[in-house]
Amino acid sequence: GAVVSQHPSWVICKSGTSVKIECRSLDFQATTMFWYRQFPKQSLMLMATSNEGSKATYEQGVEKDKFLINHASLTLSTLTVTSAHPEDSSFYICSAETRSTVSYEQYFGPGTRLTVT
Amino acid sequence: AQSVTQLDSQVPVFEEAPVELRCNYSSSVSVYLFWYVQYPNQGLQLLLKYLSGSTLVKGINGFEAEFNKSQTSFHLRKPSVHISDTAEYFCAVRKTGANNLFFGTGTRLTVIP
Repeated sequence: GAVVSQHPSWVICKSGTSVKIECRSLDFQATTMFWYRQFPKQSLMLMATSNEGSKATYEQGVEKDKFLINHASLTLSTLTVTSAHPEDSSFYICSAETRSTVSYEQYFGPGTRLTVT
Repeated sequence: AQSVTQLDSQVPVFEEAPVELRCNYSSSVSVYLFWYVQYPNQGLQLLLKYLSGSTLVKGINGFEAEFNKSQTSFHLRKPSVHISDTAEYFCAVRKTGANNLFFGTGTRLTVIP
């Protein structure tokens, strides 16, 4: 149980284009989803937190107009990188949490590797 | 604010030897503590967590960790490692009542045959 999927697993795009990454909770309802960014050989940095049906809360320094997050349902959140540039190349990981159990655990997706050329 | 320090960026260890990965945290409030493992090009998998109760926590794959409040530490241990344990290990904290996780910089465990 508690499986989170991401699609695509990797994507290459040209500079200036937009890319959408999907995060789905497959067997539970995710009241909260998180988006992280991970640079090579570095830790995960939280980008934003989203609750179903409301606007995402972005961490300091993250451009909300560049990284659009939509949490339209209890099983789906999307991250759109708009007007991507090479510096946006990174590993993007989502996680999901449900409040139905007192586990305080986030379930992580497998990640999406974005390369902007 | 919370912060997590993983002092060792890389830990090489021979197969079947014991290992300890260190994690120290700082926080002005009570926290929950987690250890995650990340295999190459994959997401994170929870190894174990400390919420309350017994300070010795047992997790999957034979790992365990001990919460030491006075030393603000949550070191991860395994008595005998396998080749398959080669991965990146992240310590994380979460303030009670909040849902944000703060991660350490990770420790790369390499098990040598």
